[in-house]
Amino acid sequence: NAGVTQTPKFRVLKTGQSMTLLCAQDMNHEYMYWYRQDPGMGLRLIHYSVGEGTTAKGEVPDGYNVSRLKKQNFLLGLESAAPSQTSVYFCASGWDAGRVNSYNEQFFGPGTRLTVL
Amino acid sequence: AQSVTQLDSHVSVSEGTPVLLRCNYSSSYSPSLFWYVQHPNKGLQLLLKYTSAATLVKGINGFEAEFKKSETSFHLTKPSAHMSDAAEYFCVVGNQGGKLIFGQGTELSVKP
Repeated sequence: NAGVTQTPKFRVLKTGQSMTLLCAQDMNHEYMYWYRQDPGMGLRLIHYSVGEGTTAKGEVPDGYNVSRLKKQNFLLGLESAAPSQTSVYFCASGWDAGRVNSYNEQFFGPGTRLTVL
Repeated sequence: AQSVTQLDSHVSVSEGTPVLLRCNYSSSYSPSLFWYVQHPNKGLQLLLKYTSAATLVKGINGFEAEFKKSETSFHLTKPSAHMSDAAEYFCVVGNQGGKLIFGQGTELSVKP
């Protein structure tokens, strides 16, 4: 099993450009998440999904959109990139929170390092 | 509402000495708690998790953590630090909706 994979690993954008980050998981998890990591702030939740076709806002959703057309994929889009979106982005997946023994454990991808100039 | 506070932003120890990384949490119900480690330019790796089965939780690489409800703490310890332990450590609490709340991280330095 590959676990959680993210594409691309690195990207440099100019202000105003758009891009999509792809997350894929092969563990048949219902829940998927996108986080951003900034120095001294831990990880902050951007958007999440509790199942195919569903999305919900997290703590810092502004400037991002997401889609979950297939259970195994979760896409994060930046329509018009800004320097404030320079960050490391992590995708994660996990079992349904109501499932016995899920314990809210999440499995993380390797991250995407994005720089917006 | 739940929250988690890592009491030290940076801890420095000598190789072979004990490690203590402190974490306090706030939760209105019995939480799930985790410690993750992140080595430089790497992703997050789960060290251990508390799921109410036992208050003393053993993890990978010799780490362990003790859940103390009366103190609302979940401190991470290791008897003897190794150079390879140098990394950033995150204390995390899980909520009933399937979300995780991260602490701000503690950077562990290990001196030879």
